[in-house]
Amino acid sequence: DADVTQTPRNRITKTGKRIMLECSQTKGHDRMYWYRQDPGLGLRLIYYSFDVKDINKGEISDGYSVSRQAQAKFSLSLESAIPNQTALYFCATSDLVSHTNTDTQYFGPGTRLTVL
Amino acid sequence: GNSVTQMEGPVTLSEEAFLTINCTYTATGYPSLFWYVQYPGEGLQLLLKATKADDKGSNKGFEATYRKETTSFHLEKGSVQVSDSAVYFCAQPEYGNKLVFGAGTILRVKS
Repeated sequence: DADVTQTPRNRITKTGKRIMLECSQTKGHDRMYWYRQDPGLGLRLIYYSFDVKDINKGEISDGYSVSRQAQAKFSLSLESAIPNQTALYFCATSDLVSHTNTDTQYFGPGTRLTVL
Repeated sequence: GNSVTQMEGPVTLSEEAFLTINCTYTATGYPSLFWYVQYPGEGLQLLLKATKADDKGSNKGFEATYRKETTSFHLEKGSVQVSDSAVYFCAQPEYGNKLVFGAGTILRVKS
């Protein structure tokens, strides 16, 4: 079984709808991240969480919210979806092995979201 | 803030050709540097990393040397295979191990 899972894998929705993307991990990591991938832009950070009580905005948080329900679960919500939120969304986790920012991030398979 | 710049793709090579994907960075200090790879339909996975200047990361025949003089971390492989076709991302971490990614370079290897 995959260590980092995301649901759904694909979703088509309409402008104005509320959407939730879910991420679960079995790696036991405290740190979790949400990124979006757009062609030619790489991945950009939306939100990140260092533990259940510590949630922080990333580079492009406007229009998104998150919930860290447990150490293993980190959900991303689009309160009112718009077409420019069409993208590939990735969840990632990492452990705090060192304090030198050298730790590997482990990515889920991604959710392809289309907003019509 | 920190940034990463990668060569634009796609890069199309024949099998057994030599590969170079350029990556340069801007940062305060000397961050760790990473190469992640995304195979079709999958999430990203770490390919290799270097944690300090002059370090060489290597994995699966790929190599990259952390060069602070040129602020570069170019990815190389001596002989690519069709199975290396993927998107390659150069990245550096910020506080909290948040990653700053380059735009990604698509590699296509023809048999």
